[in-house]
Amino acid sequence: GESVGLHLPTLSVQEGDNSIINCAYSNSASDYFIWYKQESGKGPQFIIDIRSNMDKRQGQRVTVLLNKTVKHLSLQIAATQPGDSAVYFCAENTWRGGSYIPTFGRGTSLIVHP
Amino acid sequence: DGGITQSPKYLFRKEGQNVTLSCEQNLNHDAMYWYRQDPGQGLRLIYYSQIVNDFQKGDIAEGYSVSREKKESFPLTVTSAQKNPTAFYLCASRLRSGSYEQYFGPGTRLTVT
Repeated sequence: GESVGLHLPTLSVQEGDNSIINCAYSNSASDYFIWYKQESGKGPQFIIDIRSNMDKRQGQRVTVLLNKTVKHLSLQIAATQPGDSAVYFCAENTWRGGSYIPTFGRGTSLIVHP
Repeated sequence: DGGITQSPKYLFRKEGQNVTLSCEQNLNHDAMYWYRQDPGQGLRLIYYSQIVNDFQKGDIAEGYSVSREKKESFPLTVTSAQKNPTAFYLCASRLRSGSYEQYFGPGTRLTVT
């Protein structure tokens, strides 16, 4: 599969632990943010999104926190499972040219040990 | 079975040759996007299209070209002018309004030697 995890920040956790993945974004005008999960050799998959007028949103086993003051986004995964092992990207979306255009972060590689 | 397909999964070309990567979607999405992904980096936007017969350059369009003659199809041509074409290429689509989620294809790994 694709070695997209090479040279990425890495978070190693034990199965059952909670994981927190962080992301710093650059544009204070970004309107919404999305977290994606990418497994080796595959395209990214949507996990959860949050609009800029919110500071927290919860999904199934995941929570996204947004701190606009410091332009920081985090993804919390509860009770992490081996199947959560993947690279996680945040994307900030900014309105330009008549559309929301995403800018992706470098990604964080999550490794879950059984 | 709706989704985005990219073909082939792996593609090999000699330097100096143009190559076209296929992207097809049957989700009835208006917008389509092409990204490039290199090891240790995030996705970088090459081109995007909001409607048929219209497209815009992304952040790294030099050495690439696209067309959008049909809603379902958004092929990407990697030309010989692209200085470092070896990469993993991802196609995505999205409804133009409503959900902001992008749906990604499985990707094409292009190797140019």
